[in-house]
Amino acid sequence: KAGVTQTPRYLIKTRGQQVTLSCSPISGHRSVSWYQQTPGQGLQFLFEYFSETQRNKGNFPGRFSGRQFSNSRSEMNVSTLELGDSALYLCASHYGDEAYNSPLHFGNGTRLTVT
Amino acid sequence: GNSVTQMEGPVTLSEEAFLTINCTYTATGYPSLFWYVQYPGEGLQLLLKATKADDKGSNKGFEATYRKETTSFHLEKGSVQVSDSAVYFCALSDKGDYGGSQGNLIFGKGTKLSVKP
Repeated sequence: KAGVTQTPRYLIKTRGQQVTLSCSPISGHRSVSWYQQTPGQGLQFLFEYFSETQRNKGNFPGRFSGRQFSNSRSEMNVSTLELGDSALYLCASHYGDEAYNSPLHFGNGTRLTVT
Repeated sequence: GNSVTQMEGPVTLSEEAFLTINCTYTATGYPSLFWYVQYPGEGLQLLLKATKADDKGSNKGFEATYRKETTSFHLEKGSVQVSDSAVYFCALSDKGDYGGSQGNLIFGKGTKLSVKP
């Protein structure tokens, strides 16, 4: 079974631009979460999507948004990029079935550098 | 709010040494607790988990016991190998009495482990 796939692996953008990151979850997983990882703040939860609906959201500004498609694939968008948005963005998926406490499976991340 | 505190790194050990990485948490309700490991250039992998008090999670020689009375979930391994060199993250998932979403984990800052031959 293929793992969580994130594209692209690396991105370099300029301040003020916008960026879209993509995540394909493991087949059968209906929940996709996004995290930002930086040396200073560590891993911070951005948002979670389940069946095309956002059901949890972290404490990030509105410049960070996401969506999920009917095939469970997800994208996140960051508009008006700032230098501080430079980070590793990790996507994770799981079945989304609360009763079974299925673990999160992470992708290898997209490394975003804002110059 | 919910939070996870884990010991600062880096931790450097010789091969076959005993490992302990401390993790304590603050949470309302009955959280599930996790240890994730991140190897260089890779995403996080679930190492082990415990979903209720006194549960012991174990995997690949690593163990951690969910201690509600001390709000701790310390990671231990009796004999580390060079291949265990990685960053280890303690995390919690807040949930209600009958389970809950695990998409929004709260992570500790991570502890970098280096094992020398």
